[in-house]
Amino acid sequence: EVQLVESGGGLVQPGGSLRLSCAASGFTFSTYWMYWVRQAPGKGLVWVSCINSDGTNTRYADSVKGRLTISRDNAKSTLYLQMNSLRVEDTAVYYCVRRAVGPSHYFAYWGQGTLVTVSS
Amino acid sequence: DIQMTQSPSSVSASVGDRVTITCRASQGIDTWLAWYQQKPGKAPNLLIYAASNLQSGVPSRFSGSGSETDFTLTINSLQPEDFATYYCQQANSSPYTFGQGTKLEIK
Repeated sequence: EVQLVESGGGLVQPGGSLRLSCAASGFTFSTYWMYWVRQAPGKGLVWVSCINSDGTNTRYADSVKGRLTISRDNAKSTLYLQMNSLRVEDTAVYYCVRRAVGPSHYFAYWGQGTLVTVSS
Repeated sequence: DIQMTQSPSSVSASVGDRVTITCRASQGIDTWLAWYQQKPGKAPNLLIYAASNLQSGVPSRFSGSGSETDFTLTINSLQPEDFATYYCQQANSSPYTFGQGTKLEIK
């Protein structure tokens, strides 16, 4: 069974930093692209970032480029999101996502999410 | 960036009804489109991929159609568990944008 468990969320002041982690199990982590998708309270879904299977290719939404960094440790089956220079508008539930089987960017498996609150 | 526009933003329906939700892409995306269902406090669930393919385990009352810029999600014979928010998402090119969502409410 595919499992994705996020951790690391919490309350942080504007300008602060946070690192999210996502522990993956139930599949061969090193063979899948992985993603972060966020959802502000009461709002819709927003794709944030993705990384290819060996970590050599990363992509970001314009709104987070230069501030958030995605990475992975395939030996530990763990996905990360380093969040720097956080803004109030980064407040959201952050979901770790695995794509569907095959060469596509469909989001088949989701973690339970971790809440990041940026507030003074 | 490709913009995804869903309509309506909300819809009220009764158990047993048929409901159709539409999604329009700002440029052609072939059939690189997915539909998700999200219930309050829960992560989204993939329903349809490649515009018309039913994800494993999803009831057959859900169906999708369309290509390029115009897509539809149809739910036949609504069940109580179908009342949720639905999102389309384009998988054609980064950034992998979502529609704004359609909230399906009980009439």
